[in-house]
Amino acid sequence: AQSVSQHNHHVILSEAASLELGCNYSYGGTVNLFWYVQYPGQHLQLLLKYFSGDPLVKGIKGFEAEFIKSKFSFNLRKPSVQWSDTAEYFCAVNAGSNSGYALNFGKGTSLLVTP
Amino acid sequence: KAGVTQTPRYLIKTRGQQVTLSCSPISGHRSVSWYQQTPGQGLQFLFEYFSETQRNKGNFPGRFSGRQFSNSRSEMNVSTLELGDSALYLCASSLGDTLGDEQFFGPGTRLTVL
Repeated sequence: AQSVSQHNHHVILSEAASLELGCNYSYGGTVNLFWYVQYPGQHLQLLLKYFSGDPLVKGIKGFEAEFIKSKFSFNLRKPSVQWSDTAEYFCAVNAGSNSGYALNFGKGTSLLVTP
Repeated sequence: KAGVTQTPRYLIKTRGQQVTLSCSPISGHRSVSWYQQTPGQGLQFLFEYFSETQRNKGNFPGRFSGRQFSNSRSEMNVSTLELGDSALYLCASSLGDTLGDEQFFGPGTRLTVL
């Protein structure tokens, strides 16, 4: 079945630590890839997206993600996290013409950054 | 520019009742998508409307329906509520012209079914 998998459900890091959140998908063909973030008490908002071109994409607040087509992966990274990065992170896939405009989300990763 | 708004923010209903949720998209956005968020299943796509037409539908029973008006506002209806329908219902709007357009999410409506 087509799915989006996020490997870590809960991550705890100290400030200044590096972050990598894994995301794998099982869709074939062309995909559009997204990372969304939900800060406590706020709406889901877009961190970054990949449609085509350079597989390394940069987003807001110092986040970046790398699309590796051969591994069906789109991992999120940040070299040095801050307390304000505490949030829930969702990977999402739009499977192009196969699914129209639907976003298929992973279950999310809850990140807690401690001072 | 005002964001996506959803009303009401909270609802409590009993089994068997029906409910209607409303979503007002960002001005100029013609696509509205609905998602259900639960702790167990995460975020699941319900359906998407564009220019008053349902363009995509997720894998939910027919009790879940929606519509979109000429001003792009959208409503979602759930009939014969079940306990399992308790969830946060999120609405997202986008321009809708290109696959993969950024979707802007509203705050959600928290539905509790007793």
